[in-house]
Amino acid sequence: QKEVEQNSGPLSVPEGAIASLNCTYSDRGSQSFFWYRQYSGKSPELIMFIYSNGDKEDGRFTAQLNKASQYVSLLIRDSQPSDSATYLCAVKHFGNEKLTFGTGTRLTIIP
Amino acid sequence: NAGVTQTPKFRILKIGQSMTLQCTQDMNHNYMYWYRQDPGMGLKLIYYSVGAGITDKGEVPNGYNVSRSTTEDFPLRLELAAPSQTSVYFCASSYRDRQEPQHFGDGTRLSIL
Repeated sequence: QKEVEQNSGPLSVPEGAIASLNCTYSDRGSQSFFWYRQYSGKSPELIMFIYSNGDKEDGRFTAQLNKASQYVSLLIRDSQPSDSATYLCAVKHFGNEKLTFGTGTRLTIIP
Repeated sequence: NAGVTQTPKFRILKIGQSMTLQCTQDMNHNYMYWYRQDPGMGLKLIYYSVGAGITDKGEVPNGYNVSRSTTEDFPLRLELAAPSQTSVYFCASSYRDRQEPQHFGDGTRLSIL
């Protein structure tokens, strides 16, 4: 069983719409959750992190965490073509220095 | 502000050759990591270090070695290159805190022919 699961996509969203990216994790001891964006041929860059249940907003991005359901999501409002990338979900476990990454969801914003 | 610097950016090796991928960070981070990413796949942890003189295996350590003699540097060594090691290699670093993200270098694209 994969520890961090993401739908690989591709997920196609019209420009200006809301893109919703989902991630589930198996370890209930997980305590911190990160979303990275990776453009083709580039390195991952941090978009947001969240560690408390609920929503966290930063500009057009909102991260949502539900620890009871072991579910974390990323919403991108007013999607732009520049948002087209692969989005990686990463989970840090309690007392563990390592991140576990999902395989990523490829997002395409259609102009 | 350099952040995490990896060299070289590209390299082609012949089967059986050896090489060292360099990684240095100037953020005074305690933790450093090496990942590999195969096409269309996520990141797999090769080795990591929580401080100078301390290293530990990740998910896919076979065929690799690391050392951490200083806080800044964390080189990755390939001793006998094999085609299965063709990949993109990323070095990352972070502070010791649950909220701290990992910061990535630009990667090294390695081909073994």
